Amino acid sequence: GAGVSQTPSNKVTEKGKYVELRCDPISGHTALYWYRQSLGQGPEFLIYFQGTGAADDSGLPNDRFFAVRPEGSVSTLKIQRTERGDSAVYLCASSLAQGRGYTFGSGTRLTVV
Amino acid sequence: RKEVEQDPGPFNVPEGATVAFNCTYSNSASQSFFWYRQDCRKEPKLLMSVYSSGNEDGRFTAQLNRASQYISLLIRDSKLSDSATYLCVVNGAGGFKTIFGAGTRLFVKA
Repeated sequence: GAGVSQTPSNKVTEKGKYVELRCDPISGHTALYWYRQSLGQGPEFLIYFQGTGAADDSGLPNDRFFAVRPEGSVSTLKIQRTERGDSAVYLCASSLAQGRGYTFGSGTRLTVV
Repeated sequence: RKEVEQDPGPFNVPEGATVAFNCTYSNSASQSFFWYRQDCRKEPKLLMSVYSSGNEDGRFTAQLNRASQYISLLIRDSKLSDSATYLCVVNGAGGFKTIFGAGTRLFVKA
């Protein structure tokens, strides 16, 4: 597609539930990143994929968070046993290569109630 | 100390003014630097890369000072449409993650 597509755009879930957030990067972009952003803060790095593999997952806050990119294109961020503190905008970005400028999707606003 | 620090502002300037933002980073091994712009409730968008020799794109000039570990963004002849949050971004310090600053808010008023 022309840009990075993220679905859903908004997600409200109850505490303790499982959620999946989807990212469809720009075609041909091998580098894919997940960030999350809270109000008044800059985006916080979560994980970076180069192709199918997670090259750096040091930003994942704990083992409730997991992400996959099985075919090197679409990626899914999975959050188990959601907590209210997980509420944020989850941003996906892609680029032609690591170290280049990114293109961000419009994000998924996750609210845990 | 935060890895990337920016003055949060806000900077309130009249149209036509020149305004400058600085950003400091802690890891001297950082390799790539960028400025992003983020409008309210929107995703960040790449404004410009920052090169060692400095670079200009229209009314915007970015500079890198490796010795002092800071980058700057200068906006000349400010427009109302420049009102946004400007995010400083640093990449490549011993890993793949890219670190964003918390952003500097700019309001340009008529």
